[in-house]
Amino acid sequence: NAGVMQNPRHLVRRRGQEARLRCSPMKGHSHVYWYRQLPEEGLKFMVYLQKENIIDESGMPKERFSAEFPKEGPSILRIQQVVRGDSAAYFCASSPGGDGNQPQHFGDGTRLSIL
Amino acid sequence: AQTVTQSQPEMSVQEAETVTLSCTYDTSESDYYLFWYKQPPSRQMILVIRQEAYKQQNATENRFSVNFQKAAKSFSLKISDSQLGDAAMYFCAYRRRGSGYALNFGKGTSLLVTP
Repeated sequence: NAGVMQNPRHLVRRRGQEARLRCSPMKGHSHVYWYRQLPEEGLKFMVYLQKENIIDESGMPKERFSAEFPKEGPSILRIQQVVRGDSAAYFCASSPGGDGNQPQHFGDGTRLSIL
Repeated sequence: AQTVTQSQPEMSVQEAETVTLSCTYDTSESDYYLFWYKQPPSRQMILVIRQEAYKQQNATENRFSVNFQKAAKSFSLKISDSQLGDAAMYFCAYRRRGSGYALNFGKGTSLLVTP
């Protein structure tokens, strides 16, 4: 049973370009969470999605960032017009349901570097 | 809002010895979950141990145990018989009980294990 798959593992972009980060949840998991980890910091919540729905995006910057989790395919975190401050590790986690009793399983993260 | 505080940026322990990592949190909720995650240099997020706030008994997983003091809002992690492979960043996290709440992480403690 494959775990949470994130790709790419490393992504390099120049300022102003777009970054697309993908997350395939564990089989049978329909809840996806995205977190961002800045250097020397803990993970910060960005957005919580279920299939075809954004449930909570309170941690996501209002501009340039968007997320989706379509009926088919992986969840995508999209960052438009990237800036240096977007450099971070982005983690995806999935769970079979939304209840806190069900632990979140994390992917290995995508390390985004902005030149 | 809930906050999680890890007051020890770095800790060091000798192999085979015991070390305790501190974590305090702030919440007005009475029912919630607490977690310790390990992040080795590979940057995976690995769940070490979980505690449900309504359970008085401290959780234990092999060499890892917690000291959960609900009134003091304290949740420390004890690692017994430390091994070189325990070297990593350790993050304490809080999650509110109920559907769809994200994890709220502390800033982490870097654990060094010396031979």
